[in-house]
Amino acid sequence: QLVESGGGVVQPGGSLRLSCAASGFTFSVNSMHWVRQAPGKGLEWVTFIGHDGSDKRYVDSVRGRFTISRDDSKKTLYLEMNSLRAEDTAVYYCAKDFATRGMDVWGQGTTVIVSS
Amino acid sequence: EIVMTQSPASLSVSPGERTTLSCRASQSVYNSLAWYQQKPGQAPRLLIYRASTRATGVPARFSGSGSGTEFTLTISSLQSEDFAVYYCQQYNDWWTFGPGTKVEVK
Repeated sequence: QLVESGGGVVQPGGSLRLSCAASGFTFSVNSMHWVRQAPGKGLEWVTFIGHDGSDKRYVDSVRGRFTISRDDSKKTLYLEMNSLRAEDTAVYYCAKDFATRGMDVWGQGTTVIVSS
Repeated sequence: EIVMTQSPASLSVSPGERTTLSCRASQSVYNSLAWYQQKPGQAPRLLIYRASTRATGVPARFSGSGSGTEFTLTISSLQSEDFAVYYCQQYNDWWTFGPGTKVEVK
């Protein structure tokens, strides 16, 4: 199970940190993703972190502004979001990587609204 | 970046009917293709991975096929709980989703 938190309303240019608490599987051996969905739109992959934290990847639109990280001792995935823009408004889902088979476990999502 | 397209964008289907959804990749993704189902207000659910393998607990009425750049998801007999949006996703080269196909009740 994955449970996201940390969403909210933030002004353009502001920052927010999302968290994703994992349970029911061995978090430390699994790679993880953040995927977002703007209101009324489709799914967009945002960022990935490898199981040991050394491999991090970002979609171009967030590279340099967002940072993914993990704390295996707390079984928690994070997304630090800086310089937020209106177009970052979305539901943010964390998802477990299914080892070259897609994403098999998803959280319920947390909503981020960037607005003045 | 690999671009995924899906067709149709939406379709109206009667319960019990068979329906086929299409997904195309801008370049070969081999069989690195997954299908997800998303219902309103819910997170996506993995249905199919490796183009044709059903995820745990997915009913046999869902089947996937294809390789390279052309893929299909077939629902053999639509049930009421199958009306949803379906997304394809490639994971051969990073990860990209298609725009989705909305399956509605006729």
